[in-house]
Amino acid sequence: NAGVTQTPKFQVLRTGQSMTLQCAQDMNHNSMYWYRQDPGMGLRLIYYSASEGTTDKGEVPNGYNVSRLNKREFSLRLESAAPSQTSVYFCASSASHLYEQYFGPGTRLTVT
Amino acid sequence: GENVEQHPSTLSVQEGDSAVIKCTYSDSASNYFPWYKQELGKRPQLIIDIRSNVGEKKDQRIAVTLNKTAKHFSLHITETQPEDSAVYFCAASSFNFNKFYFGSGTKLNVKP
Repeated sequence: NAGVTQTPKFQVLRTGQSMTLQCAQDMNHNSMYWYRQDPGMGLRLIYYSASEGTTDKGEVPNGYNVSRLNKREFSLRLESAAPSQTSVYFCASSASHLYEQYFGPGTRLTVT
Repeated sequence: GENVEQHPSTLSVQEGDSAVIKCTYSDSASNYFPWYKQELGKRPQLIIDIRSNVGEKKDQRIAVTLNKTAKHFSLHITETQPEDSAVYFCAASSFNFNKFYFGSGTKLNVKP
């Protein structure tokens, strides 16, 4: 069991570039989440998917889009990266929002 | 939605002392309260959780208490050790919303 995996682990982008962060889980979980964590800060929810086929905005969705490709995979896309999006991005999954969340190892993104 | 507040933001204790971190929530329908530990550079990991039908739960040196009337829950760590140094996050979720609401985090420093 790999749990929750994320790619890439590190990424440097120039302002205006686009990229997709990939996340996959092998625990047959229904719910998946994307968070960002700025240095010394807490976890802020970007988007979430309560079940396959649904996605909803979280606390800080501006500048991002998501796709729940299937039950296993949930991707996060930055269409036009900005320096304010420099952060560590965590993907997480859970059976539902009433059960433990499992986090991926994170993607450290720098936008110059 | 839900609002979770966490205190203190930083906590420094001597090895062997106890540490207490407190969280309050606003939605009386919240019924699942997990606590996560995040070591430097690592992903958050669940250390203990409690549901609204239970007032207290213990796991070795860690305990969580829940007061539904006052809408607050606390993490208690006894006999602290240097390896307990980390950032701790509380969270809450309910049937009303398909997501978790996180507190802002507490940085615990255990001095040898």
